[in-house]
Amino acid sequence: EAGVAQSPRYKIIEKRQSVAFWCNPISGHATLYWYQQILGQGPKLLIQFQNNGVVDDSQLPKDRFSAERLKGVDSTLKIQPAKLEDSAVYLCASSEGQYVRHGYTFGSGTRLTVV
Amino acid sequence: SQQGEEDPQALSIQEGENATMNCSYKTSINNLQWYRQNSGRGLVHLILIRSNEREKHSGRLRVTLDTSKKSSSLLITASRAADTASYFCATDPIESGYSTLTFGKGTMLLVSP
Repeated sequence: EAGVAQSPRYKIIEKRQSVAFWCNPISGHATLYWYQQILGQGPKLLIQFQNNGVVDDSQLPKDRFSAERLKGVDSTLKIQPAKLEDSAVYLCASSEGQYVRHGYTFGSGTRLTVV
Repeated sequence: SQQGEEDPQALSIQEGENATMNCSYKTSINNLQWYRQNSGRGLVHLILIRSNEREKHSGRLRVTLDTSKKSSSLLITASRAADTASYFCATDPIESGYSTLTFGKGTMLLVSP
């Protein structure tokens, strides 16, 4: 089966600019996650969708980050305006449902550098 | 917040040796999972162990879970250079009504030929 697709692979922007990341989960996977991984740390959950509804966005900096999952399939994560501390790898993952039996499937991530 | 804490932070061994990584966590869990991450790539799911299981095997991997001590270990037997990666434990806490993984900071494993 096809994996979780993410684009772009790399992005370099200046602070205060905006950026958007795209994710296409595994077909049929109802749950989609966005994680932020800062260098040397483990991934931190930003937002979790069940179909097109938000399940958990408690750690999403809502003053600058937004995410949507229209039609319960693809998702976009946006940062506006970006700060230097947003430099990280943004990982998208999906799972079959809210109660996971087989683990998450991750995409390769988007490496964001804010200069 | 990061619930799982891996130990050691870094581990360097020779090919053929066994590698053991430990994970401690704080709250009650539905399950605990281990993931591998090669440099610059996404995470790959290795194994999931449920709270009512004590040990699980998958190929050269052996995972144990002690819920009374809130700890888990990952053993990689007969390691290979290709096992060089970062390994993360992730916990799925009971307190939330849905599956949501919280990751630790990981253990960097270096296997030298």
